[in-house]
Amino acid sequence: QQPVQSPQAVILREGEDAVINCSSSKALYSVHWYRQKHGEAPVFLMILLKGGEQKGHEKISASFNEKKQQSSLYLTASQLSYSGTYFCGTADNYGQNFVFGPGTRLSVLP
Amino acid sequence: GAGVSQSPSNKVTEKGKDVELRCDPISGHTALYWYRQSLGQGLEFLIYFQGNSAPDKSGLPSDRFSAERTGGSVSTLTIQRTQQEDSAVYLCASSERWKAPGNTIYFGEGSWLTVV
Repeated sequence: QQPVQSPQAVILREGEDAVINCSSSKALYSVHWYRQKHGEAPVFLMILLKGGEQKGHEKISASFNEKKQQSSLYLTASQLSYSGTYFCGTADNYGQNFVFGPGTRLSVLP
Repeated sequence: GAGVSQSPSNKVTEKGKDVELRCDPISGHTALYWYRQSLGQGLEFLIYFQGNSAPDKSGLPSDRFSAERTGGSVSTLTIQRTQQEDSAVYLCASSERWKAPGNTIYFGEGSWLTVV
């Protein structure tokens, strides 16, 4: 079952912060985050595993709340290069039933 | 190779013709996936292969679509009697293992299919 992402789209000015949410109706073991720039293939950002961890990647970090079956991606002091579509992917039971969310389109303006 | 390689990168075909799209995964990766992405849309799962196990074909949209993976490496996605609605980017991806919690999926650049 496909996870839900919110918002569907967001427009930011350079330097502003954004949060993208990913939620599922089923128990999750892992959450993946990918970014796809226009005309390019999706690129891996990070994986969060069951245990409620938080991870960081440059100025992009994410959290995973397994009780709420939800993950959030935090983009701080956004840069023009952050523009793209962000997909979360969720898996249950040790990586089974992996499915991508519909994506959140992020546009960072100068 | 260093990454997932797909060919052709672009294909224009006439409605009703058959097309074959090829994917060469990262060496050593046992899991291989095919996704379809229409313009401005999300990633639609088509099929995945894991080692010598039977593939999960649950995402194939019709019996015009088929895929095989020879020798546990290269995969070919075949679309028979193409229709205009088949126009999309077909993305191949691979990972070390399917059922692994820390599984990173690496995507190829995609094959852009246009059916005219």
